[in-house]
Formats: sequence, structure tokens, C-alpha cells
Amino acid sequence: GDSVTQMEGPVTLSEEAFLTINCTYTATGYPSLFWYVQYPGEGLQLLLKATKADDKGSNKGFEATYRKETTSFHLEKGSVQVSDSAVYFCALTRGSARQLTFGSGTQLTVLP
Amino acid sequence: EAGVTQFPSHSVIEKGQTVTLRCDPISGHDNLYWYRRVMGKEIKFLLHFVKESKQDESGMPNNRFLAERTGGTYSTLKVQPAELEDSGVYFCASSQDTGRVGGYTFGSGTRLTVV
Repeated sequence: GDSVTQMEGPVTLSEEAFLTINCTYTATGYPSLFWYVQYPGEGLQLLLKATKADDKGSNKGFEATYRKETTSFHLEKGSVQVSDSAVYFCALTRGSARQLTFGSGTQLTVLP
Repeated sequence: EAGVTQFPSHSVIEKGQTVTLRCDPISGHDNLYWYRRVMGKEIKFLLHFVKESKQDESGMPNNRFLAERTGGTYSTLKVQPAELEDSGVYFCASSQDTGRVGGYTFGSGTRLTVV
């Protein structure tokens, strides 16, 4: 079946540091890939997505590129802020109105 | 528009008791999903409603879990009797079936603790 593997956390960075959270997947066909974020006390929010190979999703300074050859969708941000502290989830789906398959989540803490 | 609403936000119950979680999706969203995250692990799919019908319940762990969606509006997830391993955060999400991938809106979740 489908699966998503994320780098284990927690990750602690200083403000303005570079962030990478690794994500690789296993799925048949051509899944769509997502990064969701959960801020403290809130629900899951879509951060960015990519629906086909070589697409780059971006939002709020975060970026991730759909790499089919390496089955990866790593999340990056050049300069993190304290407000980026949250849990980040990589996920995939194989169609609209289909369920998501999530990774285990990575807790990010950014220190001032 | 109002988002996806879940309640209660927290519930602490004893092993063997019954708990009912509720999810109110965004009005007009035919698709409703339940997920849960246990012990800081991955978020796992439980089931998917299309309107009032169960489209896919392959993720339901066992027959102690019962989900319903009355009239295709709100949904309830009942756990009876609850066991310790049922502790976790239960998320609900809804979407329209527009063919656009990723149009899910999630609720804030219900944190269930079974003691």
C-alpha cells in the first residue's frame, strides 16, 4: 500500500536558520503530494502541494519539489521564524475525493 | 464561511466507557473523512463518507468504532467500549468533489484520553 516516510523529529533551530524536512513516499501511479502544518491548538492546514512530477509547491517562504525519480518531496525554507514552530506532515493522495496517506509528522521548534 | 467544527476538543474517559465524537463539516461538502493520530505516530485514515453513505471504511480498526452521518450533514464517531489504545487525536476533514486535488479542510481535532 501507499506510505510516506518523514525524517524523525523533533527539530530545533535558531531563528533565520535554514530548514529541511525530508519526505519520501511509496505509491503506485502518480500521487499528488502535500505538506500540512499544525500550529499549536489548531487544526491541520494545507501548506503547499504539487500534483505532478517536477512541480514545485510554495507558500509562506516554504518550498517543496515533486521528485519522481527519488520519490521525494522535501520541505525547505531559507530562513525560519519563531512563528514557524509547529508540526509538519507530509502526505499523498491518489485522486480527488480520495483519502490522504500521512507521514508521522515532524515537530519543529524555532528559538529566538 | 465557517470551518470544520469538532467537539468536544478534549475528552477523558475510563476504559470500558463510551465516547461520541462529533464533526460538523463545511456546509455543502459532500465528502467527510475521519482520521486519527495515535501516540505521536502518523495520522491514519479511518473512513470516508460521501453524503450519508460510507464510501470507504477500510481504516476502521475494529467493531468498537461506529461512524454515522445523519442526512449527509454532521457525523459522529462512537467508541464503545473504549480501550487504552484508542487514546489519540481524532481529526475530521471535509471537501467538495470538484475534481480538484487537495481541497480538504480539517477541524482542530478531538483529543481523546482513555485511562
